[in-house]
Amino acid sequence: EVQLVESGGGLVQPGGSLRLSCAASGFTFNSFAMTWVRQAPGKGLEWVSVISGSGGNTYYADSVKGRFTISRDNSKNTLYLQMNSLRAEDTAVYYCAKRDVGGQYYMDVWGKGTTVTVSS
Amino acid sequence: QTVVTQEPSFSVSPGGTVTLTCGLSSESVSTSHYPSWYQQTPGQAPRTLIYRTNIRSSGVPDRFSGSILGNKVALTITGAQADDESDYYCLIYMGSGIWVFGGGTKLTVL
Repeated sequence: EVQLVESGGGLVQPGGSLRLSCAASGFTFNSFAMTWVRQAPGKGLEWVSVISGSGGNTYYADSVKGRFTISRDNSKNTLYLQMNSLRAEDTAVYYCAKRDVGGQYYMDVWGKGTTVTVSS
Repeated sequence: QTVVTQEPSFSVSPGGTVTLTCGLSSESVSTSHYPSWYQQTPGQAPRTLIYRTNIRSSGVPDRFSGSILGNKVALTITGAQADDESDYYCLIYMGSGIWVFGGGTKLTVL
């Protein structure tokens, strides 16, 4: 069974840092691009970042560019999101999602999410 | 900054048909944007419904269908059921590794 399990969320002060993890299982992790999507309380989904299967290509939404870094460790089947200079507006549930096999440009499997709260 | 627009809310009667749409502020939506649709109920992770405009994800009932409608992409639910009451999001691929979600449509079945 394909499974994604996020962890690392919590309460952090504005300006602080946090690293999220997403443990993947049930598929050949290094063959698939992976994404982070977030959802602020009571708001819609927001695409955050994507990383290629090899880790060599990364892309970010303008709202997090320069503050967040996506990475992966294919030996550990784990995706990461390093979040620095956190702001109140980064408060959200963060989902990791697996991208499709290729060429279809969508997310086919989702984790259950981890909650990040930025507050003093 | 590209904005992806969806109806904020919609209502449908049980057994009825509803079409939700998703448009772009800057251009027409086409198959080249690889539009996809996701269903989300409160407190749950999104569920993938439709990809590449009109292909149903595994296990999705055939009452859900996708299409291009004019300059927008559409999700049609035919024979709506009570458990279709959810939030629906479209996702548009803008190219160069960038995706944008629509603001979501809250569907009420009553």
